[in-house]
Amino acid sequence: QVQLQESGPGLVKPSQTLSLTCSVSGASINGGGFYWTWIRQVPGKGLEWIGNIRYSGITYYNPSLKSRATILVDASKTKFSLELSSVTAAETAVYYCARDDGGFGGMGVWGQGTSVTVSS
Amino acid sequence: QSALTQPASVSGSPGQSITISCNGTTSDVGGYKHVSWYQQHPGKVPKLMIYDVINRPSGVSNRFSGSKSGNTASLTISGLQAEDEADYYCSSYTRSATVVFGGGTKVTVL
Repeated sequence: QVQLQESGPGLVKPSQTLSLTCSVSGASINGGGFYWTWIRQVPGKGLEWIGNIRYSGITYYNPSLKSRATILVDASKTKFSLELSSVTAAETAVYYCARDDGGFGGMGVWGQGTSVTVSS
Repeated sequence: QSALTQPASVSGSPGQSITISCNGTTSDVGGYKHVSWYQQHPGKVPKLMIYDVINRPSGVSNRFSGSKSGNTASLTISGLQAEDEADYYCSSYTRSATVVFGGGTKVTVL
């Protein structure tokens, strides 16, 4: 059974880079046509799709992030990461990683989410 | 990309059917058969309820059904139950090969 677990700092200063990792167990990142995805949710607000990556390295990002996001697969193929530069307080949110079966938005497996606060 | 448009809230009595709409454009909902629906209870992780407009993942009740007409997708919950009270989000694949979510709909069981 596939399980995802996010990890990373819970506090990031404004203008700095947010870095998160999603550990994948029970499956291989380079198996199947899956897209490994990051989503966030500002407290009390809706879901926002950040971007995804396929094992081949192909990535897609939410254009509203204006090229501040980078998603990579770890060389071990058991983790993938998110880096978001120049963060602001408005990006305080719960960040989720998820597996998308095909890259079309059907995310059937999610991590528990990790809360990130952007504050000085 | 602009968020898909959902009603802020929908309510119904136990046993009734309710429908949540999700309005997009020809660049997303109207252009592809890739609309998904998620259920999120307070403080919990979103759960996939419908994918590719009409398909239910294993284990999801058949009281949940999806459809699409033009640029509008819909989620119908039949035989409404107290446990269905939650937030629901639609999502769609877009022509930019990205995914866009709706703003969410709060379902209240009266």
